[in-house]
Amino acid sequence: AQSVTQLGSHVSVSEGALVLLRCNYSSSVPPYLFWYVQYPNQGLQLLLKYTSAATLVKGINGFEAEFKKSETSFHLTKPSAHMSDAAEYFCAVSGGTGTASKLTFGTGTRLQVTL
Amino acid sequence: EAEVAQSPRYKITEKSQAVAFWCDPISGHATLYWYRQILGQGPELLVQFQDESVVDDSQLPKDRFSAERLKGVDSTLKIQPAELGDSAMYLCASSLVPGGYGYTFGSGTRLTVV
Repeated sequence: AQSVTQLGSHVSVSEGALVLLRCNYSSSVPPYLFWYVQYPNQGLQLLLKYTSAATLVKGINGFEAEFKKSETSFHLTKPSAHMSDAAEYFCAVSGGTGTASKLTFGTGTRLQVTL
Repeated sequence: EAEVAQSPRYKITEKSQAVAFWCDPISGHATLYWYRQILGQGPELLVQFQDESVVDDSQLPKDRFSAERLKGVDSTLKIQPAELGDSAMYLCASSLVPGGYGYTFGSGTRLTVV
């Protein structure tokens, strides 16, 4: 079984500041890990994914995340926040293939970017 | 860029009525998922199809929900009768294979039950 915990339901940063969204996972098998972004009344857009290759994963829009097995973490970062980054962010985990391919999501972190 | 199509985008229905959502996955994608996202929460899997077969429907409330994917292409999710607690975003996603590589989500159907 897999689960995800996102620390902080709301995060507020100033434009240009570092963005750090925290995600810890639990998995009984080697995990696949994902970050998705959701804008109001929209579907989910994949930002990046970890699938057992490089532990530092680069995604779209300047985001990246580092898989740390010892800490069971997969935190999302961006060096400089932009107003357009304001959205809901979801961390998700899956176990791989077949029925294990379903995604288990965290409860989300709402990112607010202020001037 | 290929997209997962969902319709309708918004649906308002009265309690005890029937409602249906449609999803057309990316062409060639054998795996299709329906997720439900209650406001303020992360999405939760309702049902997973591989081609026309149900792979996982363990979280589908089968007394009122049904899903089908005839011919293994597009899919319909039905609720009958709808209850107030069914108000949520219903998201469809598809992937080429049932692998843990992330998949493409549609824009969703926002259901409001009144």
